[in-house]
Amino acid sequence: QKEVEQNSGPLSVPEGAIASLNCTYSDRGSQSFFWYRQYSGKSPELIMSIYSNGDKEDGRFTAQLNKASQYVSLLIRDSQPSDSATYLCAVDTDKLIFGTGTRLQVFP
Amino acid sequence: EAGVAQSPRYKIIEKRQSVAFWCNPISGHATLYWYQQILGQGPKLLIQFQNNGVVDDSQLPKDRFSAERLKGVDSTLKIQPAKLEDSAVYLCASSSMTDGNTIYFGEGSWLTVV
Repeated sequence: QKEVEQNSGPLSVPEGAIASLNCTYSDRGSQSFFWYRQYSGKSPELIMSIYSNGDKEDGRFTAQLNKASQYVSLLIRDSQPSDSATYLCAVDTDKLIFGTGTRLQVFP
Repeated sequence: EAGVAQSPRYKIIEKRQSVAFWCNPISGHATLYWYQQILGQGPKLLIQFQNNGVVDDSQLPKDRFSAERLKGVDSTLKIQPAKLEDSAVYLCASSSMTDGNTIYFGEGSWLTVV
């Protein structure tokens, strides 16, 4: 069974801090990795995609991928209360498999 | 550009009744997905269509769930008879190879089975 594991949280960080969200996956053959943000009562929306080892930056968001360790992370710099949401890690093997999500709370 | 459209947004039914959800994907997207998201869990793929053909339905409970995409555009997901454990959000999504197969979700159809 191919799996994607995330800590369910909540992860609480103060406004302005860096939030670090982590994800591990079981299928070594996975090639594509995604982070989705889901606000309560809403559908998931894509934040970042990453395909190769290393870092990928987009504004306040940085995705990090380490295929050898089967580990992908998302860093959110200068966290804002509006970043409070559940962050879903998704891994594309032969289909897109989602983790259970990590709930992030950013407090003022 | 219009997003993925779904209806109804909310539905409450009694167990053993039937329900149908409709989805219209983003224009031009060949791939359509139905996901089930139970509260507190990540979305789980039920079925994936490429145009009007089924690519993956390995996690679709075929004794009670059915889905079709007859003309390769919009799709219907049906549950009959519903069970209490079917209470979830049913998310339709679509993607296109021209957009790196990025999956875009609709707002979801919230089902409560009582």
